[in-house]
Amino acid sequence: DAGVTQSPTHLIKTRGQQVTLRCSPISGHKSVSWYQQVLGQGPQFIFQYYEKEERGRGNFPDRFSARQFPNYSSELNVNALLLGDSALYLCASSLGIVLNTGELFFGEGSRLTVL
Amino acid sequence: DAKTTQPNSMESNEEEPVHLPCNHSTISGTDYIHWYRQLPSQGPEYVIHGLTSNVNNRMASLAIAEDRKSSTLILHRATLRDAAVYYCILRDTRGTGANNLFFGTGTRLTVIP
Repeated sequence: DAGVTQSPTHLIKTRGQQVTLRCSPISGHKSVSWYQQVLGQGPQFIFQYYEKEERGRGNFPDRFSARQFPNYSSELNVNALLLGDSALYLCASSLGIVLNTGELFFGEGSRLTVL
Repeated sequence: DAKTTQPNSMESNEEEPVHLPCNHSTISGTDYIHWYRQLPSQGPEYVIHGLTSNVNNRMASLAIAEDRKSSTLILHRATLRDAAVYYCILRDTRGTGANNLFFGTGTRLTVIP
């Protein structure tokens, strides 16, 4: 069975540009979350979507947006890129929105470099 | 969510047990204790979770103190593939956005051949 897949795996952008990152959850999983991991730090929560609705948002500026599609895949968009947006962007899926009995499955991430 | 405290790094010899500690003195009664690990160049991977009782699975064991203010992840026989950053995370699932896990900086485990 396929795990969480993310694309692209690596990309380079320049300041001010916009980027779209894509995520396909594990089949049957309805919740997708996005995390940002800056080098040397742990992942930081950006968004959670469940059944195409935003269910959680971390402390990130409005330049960050996301959406979930009817097939439960998701896109993360970042506008007006800054150097500080350089990071590994991780997507995670789960069956539902409550984690007391379930686990979060992560993809391998999209490595964004902003020059 | 309550926060956790972990040592920055630990070392272990291959094939020996490893005990990774985590302090969470402000844990609430509804907080579950989750452990994830992140191998080099990979996304985090679920290891184990528990609430009050000790838990075992094929990867590890989780020992939870009686007052729940600390816990220990136990790898019974460390292998080179266990070299990773291990994160201890508390999650209160009462709120919305239940997938908001606070990872912190974790413990980097080095396994010595």
